[in-house]
Amino acid sequence: AQSVTQPDIHITVSEGASLELRCNYSYGATPYLFWYVQSPGQGLQLLLKYFSGDTLVQGIKGFEAEFKRSQSSFNLRKPSVHWSDAAEYFCAVTSNTGNQFYFGTGTSLTVIP
Amino acid sequence: EAGVAQSPRYKIIEKRQSVAFWCNPISGHATLYWYQQILGQGPKLLIQFQNNGVVDDSQLPKDRFSAERLKGVDSTLKIQPAKLEDSAVYLCASSHRIAGELAKNIQYFGAGTRLSVL
Repeated sequence: AQSVTQPDIHITVSEGASLELRCNYSYGATPYLFWYVQSPGQGLQLLLKYFSGDTLVQGIKGFEAEFKRSQSSFNLRKPSVHWSDAAEYFCAVTSNTGNQFYFGTGTSLTVIP
Repeated sequence: EAGVAQSPRYKIIEKRQSVAFWCNPISGHATLYWYQQILGQGPKLLIQFQNNGVVDDSQLPKDRFSAERLKGVDSTLKIQPAKLEDSAVYLCASSHRIAGELAKNIQYFGAGTRLSVL
């Protein structure tokens, strides 16, 4: 069955520190992968996406993610976290048909000064 | 460009009552999605429309949930009757279809409707 796992429910980092949020997927077909961010009371905003090609993708707000097929992972990274990055982060997967979007359970990020 | 509009933002009802949510997608976006996001979980796709046709409704509890997209623009999601476990945020998203590559379309989300069933 298709699924997305985000092992870390909650992460706390200091402002200026680096960040890595983990995402593992299980998908029978070629996956299309996404990272979304959700601030309190807001809808989801796309950070970045991977469809094919270069396995290191750049997104908005200084985020990047690396697709590793051998590990079925698509981890999100940022070299230096800002207080405004505090939010909920979701990894999602779908196929090229665009049907059956699957989201992970999310990772809540707290940034301390 | 206006974003995805949803109303109401909040709704409190008692179990067994009915409720409806409204979504107005971004102008020109052919694809519309309804998601259910229960507290502490990721969004779960309920139904996906392409224009006014249903692409996928496999996770929609059809005994109590219904959705329509008249004229391929606005959409309404209804719950009748509501249960306690329906308490969640209901998110609407839309995307502009690129021919043959539906998944590459970026989904734009509304702020959601928070439903509390008492």
